[in-house]
Amino acid sequence: GAGVSQSPSNKVTEKGKDVELRCDPISGHTALYWYRQSLGQGLEFLIYFQGNSAPDKSGLPSDRFSAERTGGSVSTLTIQRTQQEDSAVYLCASSLVGGAELGEKLFFGSGTQLSVL
Amino acid sequence: RKEVEQDPGPFNVPEGATVAFNCTYSNSASQSFFWYRQDCRKEPKLLMSVYSSGNEDGRFTAQLNRASQYISLLIRDSKLSDSATYLCVVNNGKGSSNTGKLIFGQGTTLQVKP
Repeated sequence: GAGVSQSPSNKVTEKGKDVELRCDPISGHTALYWYRQSLGQGLEFLIYFQGNSAPDKSGLPSDRFSAERTGGSVSTLTIQRTQQEDSAVYLCASSLVGGAELGEKLFFGSGTQLSVL
Repeated sequence: RKEVEQDPGPFNVPEGATVAFNCTYSNSASQSFFWYRQDCRKEPKLLMSVYSSGNEDGRFTAQLNRASQYISLLIRDSKLSDSATYLCVVNNGKGSSNTGKLIFGQGTTLQVKP
């Protein structure tokens, strides 16, 4: 596709279960970001991948959260032992290069709405 | 202190009004600045980048004040379609361990009324 694709678009799970969220960035984009947005709140940075560099994981809220990016393309965000406070929209974005000087535009996916019951 | 701070609003203005939003950032090493727009239940989209010299795009003007570490967005002749949340975005910049990380402010909500 032409844009950033995220799946599933909606996920309802029970407290304590593990979930996997997928992001398929725009082809050729080397930078990939995960953000979380709770209702009525701003975007909370989670993790940033840039090329082959070690990811910036400084935004992950706990060790229940992890993410990987295979082959420099598709990324999976995994939340283990989900809690109700994990309920939010999880947004993925990609950009062509990334980096402080370049000011690259972010292209966002439509997000995954996660509801933990 | 939050890395990027915005007044959440809402700003309620009549059509045709001029409205300005400010945003402050804490990391003096930040290099890149942006305004994104987010419509209700939609993903954010880039509105404009913010350059040191200031820049204008139609009814929208963005300015950067590095000394005071704030960014502004001015919207002239507001339209109903301008109603949205405006997100200030800052790149952490070099000199920290988080080069390339883009930090979003909470967003400022604008409601333009007929």
